Amino acid sequence: EDQVTQSPEALRLQEGESSSLNCSYTVSGLRGLFWYRQDPGKGPEFLFTLYSAGEEKEKERLKATLTKKESFLHITAPKPEDSATYLCAVHSRNYGGSQGNLIFGKGTKLSVKP
Amino acid sequence: NAGVTQTPKFRILKIGQSMTLQCTQDMNHNYMYWYRQDPGMGLKLIYYSVGAGITDKGEVPNGYNVSRSTTEDFPLRLELAAPSQTSVYFCASSYGDLTNTEAFFGQGTRLTVV
Repeated sequence: EDQVTQSPEALRLQEGESSSLNCSYTVSGLRGLFWYRQDPGKGPEFLFTLYSAGEEKEKERLKATLTKKESFLHITAPKPEDSATYLCAVHSRNYGGSQGNLIFGKGTKLSVKP
Repeated sequence: NAGVTQTPKFRILKIGQSMTLQCTQDMNHNYMYWYRQDPGMGLKLIYYSVGAGITDKGEVPNGYNVSRSTTEDFPLRLELAAPSQTSVYFCASSYGDLTNTEAFFGQGTRLTVV
């Protein structure tokens, strides 16, 4: 069964303290791994798409990497405004209809204290 | 651009009542989706549409109905509300298949069934 597991469930960092969020996945034939950011009371906001092992993408203090079994979201020198829940999703052909769809993890809630 | 707009933002329903969650997008996207997000759980796909007049079931379609008469609108209908339908509902849209395009999400509708 295709699935996505994110860890940790919650992460508290001091401002400037770098760390990583993990997304491990089991999917038959990866067609894309997505990272989203979700602020309280808001809808998810797209961050990155990764397609193949070894691929990396960066945006400001965030860098996403991909291996054959997991993805990491590295946060360098985080600021309080980086506090949010970070969602990982994979596209699965076996889920959600004939064309496949996204399977979401439960998310990692990141809190960055000043 | 407004992006994806959902109404209402909040709603309380009594068991057995019916309601329609509205969703409209102004990006001329072909694909539209309805997700529900329960506390501590990943987003679950309810229904999706690949274009006007075409809809398909996702992972959790029971108790819901959809229609897609125009490219812009994708309403979600609850016919007989049950407490199990208490959740936050997100509408999303994408230009194409999620293997190569990102999904844009609305702000969500928080529904409580009592």
